[in-house]
Amino acid sequence: QQPVQSPQAVILREGEDAVINCSSSKALYSVHWYRQKHGEAPVFLMILLKGGEQKGHDKISASFNEKKQQSSLYLTASQLSYSGTYFCGTEGSGGGADGLTFGKGTHLIIQP
Amino acid sequence: NAGVTQTPKFQVLKTGQSMTLQCAQDMNHEYMSWYRQDPGMGLRLIHYSVGAGITDQGEVPNGYNVSRSTTEDFPLRLLSAAPSQTSVYFCASGRREQYFGPGTRLTVT
Repeated sequence: QQPVQSPQAVILREGEDAVINCSSSKALYSVHWYRQKHGEAPVFLMILLKGGEQKGHDKISASFNEKKQQSSLYLTASQLSYSGTYFCGTEGSGGGADGLTFGKGTHLIIQP
Repeated sequence: NAGVTQTPKFQVLKTGQSMTLQCAQDMNHEYMSWYRQDPGMGLRLIHYSVGAGITDQGEVPNGYNVSRSTTEDFPLRLLSAAPSQTSVYFCASGRREQYFGPGTRLTVT
């Protein structure tokens, strides 16, 4: 089952914060976050394994609530370079190598 | 390091034709996968491989075939192209952190 991402799209001014949510109907082993710019390939941002560990990179961080099967991506003080489509990919609780299931994406537009 | 390479970048096929999309990686990853991306649908897994000689189906495998004879290469074959296979195809290498190739834009008329 495809995870559900919200919102579908968001427009921000540079410097504002954003939260993107990812929710699954199945038990999860991990959640992956990727960003894709128009006409380019997706680029890995971070992975969160079950255990509720929060990861961060610069001003982008994420959390994973395995009991609720939800993950959130936090973008703080957004920059123009953050524009793009953000995808979450989920891996089932078996932890086996059966591939990622991606959400439909969240379009993020940062305006100057 | 080239990372993940895909050829061709663009391709137009007629219905019923067959073709192979090439994918190669130089990172010595055991895990490789193929996705298709359609507008508003996100990335959907077609096939994946956990190592040479081992492949398995993903979410949308019908109409596609894969093989993995070496660690480096993971070609995707379209057996008899259909308009519904018009899409952008991405190959990825690595499991926990997936590195995507630049993609192949395929149009089937």
